[in-house]
Parts: sequence; C-alpha cells; structure tokens
Amino acid sequence: ETGVTQSPTHLIKTRGQQVTLRCSSQSGHNTVSWYQQALGQGPQFIFQYYREEENGRGNFPPRFSGLQFPNYSSELNVNALELDDSALYLCASSLAGQDYYGYTFGSGTRLTVV
Amino acid sequence: AQSVTQLDSQVPVFEEAPVELRCNYSSSVSVYLFWYVQYPNQGLQLLLKYLSGSTLVESINGFEAEFNKSQTSFHLRKPSVHISDTAEYFCAVSEMGGSARQLTFGSGTQLTVLP
Repeated sequence: ETGVTQSPTHLIKTRGQQVTLRCSSQSGHNTVSWYQQALGQGPQFIFQYYREEENGRGNFPPRFSGLQFPNYSSELNVNALELDDSALYLCASSLAGQDYYGYTFGSGTRLTVV
Repeated sequence: AQSVTQLDSQVPVFEEAPVELRCNYSSSVSVYLFWYVQYPNQGLQLLLKYLSGSTLVESINGFEAEFNKSQTSFHLRKPSVHISDTAEYFCAVSEMGGSARQLTFGSGTQLTVLP
C-alpha cells in the first residue's frame, strides 16, 4: 500500500509567478484535501476535491485553485504568488464516507516566494 | 465554525518523565477529535482519534487522550516519554456530518524530550 506522495519537495518562486504542486493519493482513497502550513503554525484547510470537483473550501482567495484527475491524483495551483504564500503545502487523502478515520498526509512541498 | 487552542507552544520534559499536552476546542456542533504528530521535515501522522464511545483513547506507542465534553478538552498524555517522542504535536477537530470533512488544527505544541 503506497502512501501519499507530493512533488516537488522544495520550490523557490518569485513574487507574481504561478506555481503548480502535485499530489498522488494513497491507493484506495478517492478524496484529496490541501492544507497550507505557515512557519510555526498549524495547517489551514485550503480545499477538498471529490469526484474531480471542489467539495469544500477554506478562507483562501480564488488565485488558489485545484484539480483532481480520474486516478484521484491532484494539483494545487497558485497564481500571482505573494510573499505570504511561503509555506509548507500538505496534501491529504481519504476515502469518502470514512474520512473520519483520519487522513493520510504527504510529506509536503516547501514553497518559498522571494 | 470550530476553533482549537493548544495552550502550550513549547513543552520541554526530561526523558522518562510524564507529559501532558493541552488542547481545548470550540464548536457549535459535535466534532471528531484528533491528535497528529509531525517530525522534522515530514508530514503529519495520525496519533489517535476520538469518534465516539469510550472517552479515553490510546495509541500504540503509549500516548492517550481523554475527551471531556463539559470542558471541551482533549488533552494528550504519556506517562513516560522517550527521546524519540520529540516532535510537534497538533490537535485537530472535524465537524460531524459536514459535507467536506475539513480538519481545523491548533497552532501546535513542540515537545522536546531532554536526556
């Protein structure tokens, strides 16, 4: 059973650029959630995808967008990067209807905006 | 909306001593409760969870947490810590019955076990 894998592990971007982060969910999971973890803080919910559609969104602006593919993998896209977007971005997968058993998190992508 | 407060940002403790990491939550609806652990440069790992039933839940590595509804708390305890327990610990809640089961996290407690 494979876990959640994220790529890349580290990324440096310039303010104003766009970035795409990728996530492969755990085998058997069909729901993907994305979280932003700023330095010294707890993760904050960005959005969740189920059946290739957004299924809930946290308090993040529209320049944060996502996709889920038929194989349940997912992308997080951030446009017009700002310095405050520097954070660890975590992907978590779960099985719809059983996600209260807990999510499986990836190791994250560390994004630095300069 | 829910919120989670972890009362201690840093907890240093000597090896083999007991430890308690405190967590309080606020929610207008019933919630599920979780503790996650994060080791340096890694993602989050589920430590234990409370869904229903017995208010005392245990993990396989000796941690336990007790759900106290009247005090809206879910404190994490271990009677004897090891060096390897050094990590960041996050308390989280998830609303029962929500269409998107997002986790709301506290700001974390850094547990440092000293030799």
